[in-house]
Amino acid sequence: QKEVEQDPGPLSVPEGAIVSLNCTYSNSAFQYFMWYRQYSRKGPELLMYTYSSGNKEDGRFTAQVDKSSKYISLFIRDSQPSDSATYLCAGGYNQGGKLIFGQGTELSVKP
Amino acid sequence: EPEVTQTPSHQVTQMGQEVILRCVPISNHLYFYWYRQILGQKVEFLVSFYNNEISEKSEIFDDQFSVERPDGSNFTLKIRSTKLEDSAMYFCASRLQVNEQFFGPGTRLTVL
Repeated sequence: QKEVEQDPGPLSVPEGAIVSLNCTYSNSAFQYFMWYRQYSRKGPELLMYTYSSGNKEDGRFTAQVDKSSKYISLFIRDSQPSDSATYLCAGGYNQGGKLIFGQGTELSVKP
Repeated sequence: EPEVTQTPSHQVTQMGQEVILRCVPISNHLYFYWYRQILGQKVEFLVSFYNNEISEKSEIFDDQFSVERPDGSNFTLKIRSTKLEDSAMYFCASRLQVNEQFFGPGTRLTVL
């Protein structure tokens, strides 16, 4: 079983829509989770970092972690064409250790 | 805003040649990482480095790979004898104390 799984998409939404991106994970030892945005042939850009169950909000972005079901989500409100990218979730399970990434979900926001 | 930088942006090499990929982490960061991403695949961890030594490495990081922090600013990844399957994007990342890792723009390595 893959440690972190994401639906690769592509996911296409109209501008202004609320986007929901999801990951599941199998490793109960994960202590924290990251969401990165990656534009084509660029480096991952850190969006959100969470380490406990619950919600964390930053502007139009909300990260949600449910450790009981091993499910993490990223919500994007009022989506913009500039949000079109691949979104990567990642889990980390020790202090300062490696990140385990999902496959990434490709998002397209249409004007 | 401070950022991780990497050079070169694209490296083309012949199979069997040695390559060195260079990174300048964010200046006050203490932990350094290399990841790679084969085209169309997920980002994979290679190695982490702290206090001038490797703290963790993956199965990918075999004897052909090495890392070095030759001075106070650079962090390098060396591949001694490149293989076709080493063709990928290589990302350097760094962090301070908390777990947020910041990635560089990557070096695209093409092995012919």
